[in-house]
Amino acid sequence: DSGVTQTPKHLITATGQRVTLRCSPRSGDLSVYWYQQSLDQGLQFLIQYYNGEERAKGNILERFSAQQFPDLHSELNLSSLELGDSALYFCASSDGDYNEQFFGPGTRLTVL
Amino acid sequence: AQTVTQSQPEMSVQEAETVTLSCTYDTSESDYYLFWYKQPPSRQMILVIRQEAYKQQNATENRFSVNFQKAAKSFSLKISDSQLGDAAMYFCAYWGSGGSNYKLTFGKGTLLTVNP
Repeated sequence: DSGVTQTPKHLITATGQRVTLRCSPRSGDLSVYWYQQSLDQGLQFLIQYYNGEERAKGNILERFSAQQFPDLHSELNLSSLELGDSALYFCASSDGDYNEQFFGPGTRLTVL
Repeated sequence: AQTVTQSQPEMSVQEAETVTLSCTYDTSESDYYLFWYKQPPSRQMILVIRQEAYKQQNATENRFSVNFQKAAKSFSLKISDSQLGDAAMYFCAYWGSGGSNYKLTFGKGTLLTVNP
């Protein structure tokens, strides 16, 4: 158990819908990262938050957004969902930029 | 931009034998970190081993060790005395030390099968 929790574990929804994925980092970790894992794109970095502020952006679509709240949990919002958004979404946390990232169990999103 | 290449999509090894997974990367940075992550069928991402580029000594964690060749930009993972529980997808990852590179860049992965 990495100490990072993600909810829900599985999510099935339809095209055009909007979903929210939630992540709680390890106790004390200020950084939260979101990654997308799909068969065709592999593991890709989406976005990082550090203590409530956006720190880095990767290949995140404009339909996707994220935020980190004062209690340090983070949410990834995916809207106008398309079939190609079906993937495993990981959240990871760390206590510093160059320290190990601990991954949550992931949320499996299926868009039908 | 940094890239990570794992040239072996699949590898197999007999139980108790040794296997080496390859990884090369491309970067213009002098200071960075390299990681091997394991993803078993449960899909959980688990850190196997970490190497700081400024350290010349190769990292070792029990049966797992790396061969880090900085000049060649090569970072291979050796698994000794392979066990059935080692069967998983293994990802090599790069982490830059500065600028706006606050992310892990992953290779495509190598699927390791362990045969009894």
